[in-house]
Amino acid sequence: DAGITQSPRYKITETGRQVTLMCHQTWSHSYMFWYRQDLGHGLRLIYYSAAADITDKGEVPDGYVVSRSKTENFPLTLESATRSQTSVYFCASSELGTDEQYFGPGTRLTVT
Amino acid sequence: AQSVTQLGSHVSVSEGALVLLRCNYSSSVPPYLFWYVQYPNQGLQLLLKYTSAATLVKGINGFEAEFKKSETSFHLTKPSAHMSDAAEYFCAVTFSTNAGKSTFGDGTTLTVKP
Repeated sequence: DAGITQSPRYKITETGRQVTLMCHQTWSHSYMFWYRQDLGHGLRLIYYSAAADITDKGEVPDGYVVSRSKTENFPLTLESATRSQTSVYFCASSELGTDEQYFGPGTRLTVT
Repeated sequence: AQSVTQLGSHVSVSEGALVLLRCNYSSSVPPYLFWYVQYPNQGLQLLLKYTSAATLVKGINGFEAEFKKSETSFHLTKPSAHMSDAAEYFCAVTFSTNAGKSTFGDGTTLTVKP
């Protein structure tokens, strides 16, 4: 399917476990982003990538790791999940850093 | 530092009434401004964007926004609200000097009453 997809859509995990959220886009966009959305905080940027093998921290990177070995994939890993990481996570992509962003459907993560 | 403020976390209008959602930004360089809409359990979708070409920007679903540099504002309007406009709306800003790091407002939830 064309576009940007995220998997899984829903995930429940336990405190301390490692979990990876997947993001895949078919447009070959240069930029990719990870956000978390929490009530009262809007969207906050976790990490972004300007190209394969180039990543940079956003506003709230602590506790998260990203990689981008291929242009189309941008996985987000929570190395040791905490309850404060319970959130809805959105992946997005754009052709240029100043372009509009195209968002995936989101992953709702619950850490128990 | 760039920032975006959306005035009013909740706005309620009657069907057929004017919709006005407010967005102010702060910057020292020319901004790129966006409005996105989010329907329940979905990702954000672009409504419209300002990229310095024209100050009045028309978007999808009858929405438009006007860039006012003197007021550092980019308010979103629609002349006549429809029930299907009920959603959450986000204003976002980025800059050529900070490419990739968009800042989003906290969002405004629009309710449309029949």
